[in-house]
Amino acid sequence: DAGVIQSPRHEVTEMGQEVTLRCKPISGHDYLFWYRQTMMRGLELLIYFNNNVPIDDSGMPEDRFSAKMPNASFSTLKIQPSEPRDSAVYFCASSFSGGRARNEQFFGPGTRLTVL
Amino acid sequence: SQQGEEDPQALSIQEGENATMNCSYKTSINNLQWYRQNSGRGLVHLILIRSNEREKHSGRLRVTLDTSKKSSSLLITASRAADTASYFCATYRGSTLGRLYFGRGTQLTVWP
Repeated sequence: DAGVIQSPRHEVTEMGQEVTLRCKPISGHDYLFWYRQTMMRGLELLIYFNNNVPIDDSGMPEDRFSAKMPNASFSTLKIQPSEPRDSAVYFCASSFSGGRARNEQFFGPGTRLTVL
Repeated sequence: SQQGEEDPQALSIQEGENATMNCSYKTSINNLQWYRQNSGRGLVHLILIRSNEREKHSGRLRVTLDTSKKSSSLLITASRAADTASYFCATYRGSTLGRLYFGRGTQLTVWP
């Protein structure tokens, strides 16, 4: 089975541009998480969904960030307008709440975003 | 917000030696998990220990959990250069369904 799929793997854009990151979770998983990782702040949870419904978006830095999960197979994280301080690696992860391995998270390879 | 705090922040050892990393947390938990992150990659789950367990083994990994001290340790025996990575502990509280709270991680370097 394929793991969590993220696209693009690398994104370089200019300040003020819109950026859309994409994620396909593992089939059958009911939780989806968006994280941001930087050297300064470590791994930060931005938002997470359960059965396509946002549960906690308190980690979203500001209104420039938005996330959607229109169906169980797809989620997007959008930054509009982007700023240099948004430069980071963005990870998507998914998990399954049932079974013995409860809440083990599976991470995608990440999207490295550079905002010039 | 982060829950776990790993100690040390960085650890450098020779191949063949054992590596021990510690994690402390603040609130009661349902389980505690350890993850590894190789440079430029996503985190990978290593092992999970439930709150009613005290020790767990998986290959060269040994995890202990002391809920009275709110701490856990990860021991990697007979380390290899390929073990070089960052190691994170993550706690699952149960009260915040689905969410894990990650620490800042320990950077382990194993020299050949």
